[in-house]
Amino acid sequence: EAQVTQNPRYLITVTGKKLTVTCSQNMNHEYMSWYRQDPGLGLRQIYYSMNVEVTDKGDVPEGYKVSRKEKRNFPLILESPSPNQTSLYFCASRSGGNQPQHFGDGTRLSIL
Amino acid sequence: AQKVTQAQTEISVVEKEDVTLDCVYETRDTTYYLFWYKQPPSGELVFLIRRNSFDEQNEISGRYSWNFQKSTSSFNFTITASQVVDSAVYFCALSEADYGGATNKLIFGTGTLLAVQP
Repeated sequence: EAQVTQNPRYLITVTGKKLTVTCSQNMNHEYMSWYRQDPGLGLRQIYYSMNVEVTDKGDVPEGYKVSRKEKRNFPLILESPSPNQTSLYFCASRSGGNQPQHFGDGTRLSIL
Repeated sequence: AQKVTQAQTEISVVEKEDVTLDCVYETRDTTYYLFWYKQPPSGELVFLIRRNSFDEQNEISGRYSWNFQKSTSSFNFTITASQVVDSAVYFCALSEADYGGATNKLIFGTGTLLAVQP
């Protein structure tokens, strides 16, 4: 089954404790993205990747890092999480040609 | 600047009513793509439709239909004979094409919460 898998689905943690949200897709897609969803703001892109070792900033990259060492994986790293990073996070992937993005089921992060 | 506006924050209807969700977009590109996604209470994002800027034909899929009008920069979504299972947040999104013919960013509207009462 074609899917984008995020882990964990839920996480409550404390300010400053490094965390990683993993994202994996099994569709051999070149493009992957991370978005965060906040009430009244819709979804905003954090980082994206066009292929292995190619990443770039989206609209709200501050406080986040990503890596793309393998085509299928695109982890989101919060080196020193802060309460304003409490949000619902989505990973997405797509093939070329402006095909629709396939989204993971979301990760709800609470930073206390 | 690229922007998607969904002016309706919340809509409440009674089952079997028709409902239209509005979407207005701004872009300077002549080539772009428009999308609708559904987010049910369980939280996942479900792709509904993609439309490119050269195709102004309206589309119907079961109880869902979409009206794309470039003259008014709108891409409205109508649900006919709404059902309780249609209750969700609906997002309209815009993607522009760069010189390579593809870009990875979806610009989302703020979403419309549709509540269908039994």
